[in-house]
Amino acid sequence: QQQVKQSPQSLIVQKGGISIINCAYENTAFDYFPWYQQFPGKGPALLIAIRPDVSEKKEGRFTISFNKSAKQFSLHIMDSQPGDSATYFCAARGTNAGKSTFGDGTTLTVKP
Amino acid sequence: EAGVAQSPRYKIIEKRQSVAFWCNPISGHATLYWYQQILGQGPKLLIQFQNNGVVDDSQLPKDRFSAERLKGVDSTLKIQPAKLEDSAVYLCASSLVAVNEQFFGPGTRLTVL
Repeated sequence: QQQVKQSPQSLIVQKGGISIINCAYENTAFDYFPWYQQFPGKGPALLIAIRPDVSEKKEGRFTISFNKSAKQFSLHIMDSQPGDSATYFCAARGTNAGKSTFGDGTTLTVKP
Repeated sequence: EAGVAQSPRYKIIEKRQSVAFWCNPISGHATLYWYQQILGQGPKLLIQFQNNGVVDDSQLPKDRFSAERLKGVDSTLKIQPAKLEDSAVYLCASSLVAVNEQFFGPGTRLTVL
């Protein structure tokens, strides 16, 4: 049973455009929702994270939107740059710092 | 601050052979994780240590996989015997404590022929 579903699998946007990646979860016990960025040959690195008591969090060009009732959250990358080309993973962590469950990733390509 | 170190970076073995991976977490980090990342999928937690005790190993195939964390610092993950489906990147991560951000190492890419 896949507890975190991520879409799309791949995404191509033009430089300066907006990249949007979506995730949906099933377990209402999740209480921490991070997004990770992974470059080839590297491990994932935390990009931005949100807790369910807020609906939006912004850090620079990256924004997480969170819809608790729909059990969905999304990553928005504004003014996308070629350097943003990477694989992005959403994740959800259980209460009391429980196990993190990852989505299957979205490969983002930003064309110059 | 040095990051999470892993070795080797690449390993090719034949099925039924054994293999071991090593991880050195960030200094002072009490929590250590091993993940398996199959091509095209997200990381899947295999085992989580708090200091040298196991917190969660529910997804570790214990008939062939084993892991230990010596003196609550370095950790090794072993596969014996390996199967074709074990081909994946094995990621080690650490955090100060479990509620904090996880920092990932570069991973070990295992190919089982």
